[in-house]
Amino acid sequence: NAGVTQTPKFQVLKTGQSMTLQCAQDMNHEYMSWYRQDPGMGLRLIHYSVGAGITDQGEVPNGYNVSRSTTEDFPLRLLSAAPSQTSVYFCASSPRTAFRTYNSPLHFGNGTRLTVT
Amino acid sequence: AQKVTQAQTEISVVEKEDVTLDCVYETRDTTYYLFWYKQPPSGELVFLIRRNSFDEQNEISGRYSWNFQKSTSSFNFTITASQVVDSAVYFCALLVTVTGGGNKLTFGTGTQLKVEL
Repeated sequence: NAGVTQTPKFQVLKTGQSMTLQCAQDMNHEYMSWYRQDPGMGLRLIHYSVGAGITDQGEVPNGYNVSRSTTEDFPLRLLSAAPSQTSVYFCASSPRTAFRTYNSPLHFGNGTRLTVT
Repeated sequence: AQKVTQAQTEISVVEKEDVTLDCVYETRDTTYYLFWYKQPPSGELVFLIRRNSFDEQNEISGRYSWNFQKSTSSFNFTITASQVVDSAVYFCALLVTVTGGGNKLTFGTGTQLKVEL
């Protein structure tokens, strides 16, 4: 059972380049989300999805696109990378009703460190 | 809107000292959940504890203890007899439901704890 898998672990982009951060989970979780972590800012929600075909914006969605064609995968796309998107990105998943029945609501991946020059 | 405040940016203690990390939260929801996560230098997010809004009972787990007080909207975390391995960034987080289900977790900005010999 791999849990939440993020790839790549590290990535360097030039301004204007595009790329996709991959996130996959094998726990059949309905809910998936993307966070970015910046120094002094904590973790901020970018986008989330409550199931296949359904996505919604979080706190800082600008510059990012997501889609959810399957339960397992929730990729995060940067269409035109900017230096302000230099950050560590975390993907997380949980069963839809996890907050009622489980101790930890989110299973986190190990993060992707992205640098945009 | 939800908000989590961790006013202590960085705390340094000497090993075996007790240390308390403060967390103050804001929400209009009557049902919510509070969490503490640990992020060691390796970068992963480690779940420590969850507390429900209707359960103000304090909890102790080994050297860790948590004091939840709804009257002051605080959920403080104390490490007794700190150790070097406790050095990490600690995040307090608040979870509420979102329309359509799923979890919206709002993080504080984190407290960097340094435990020195």
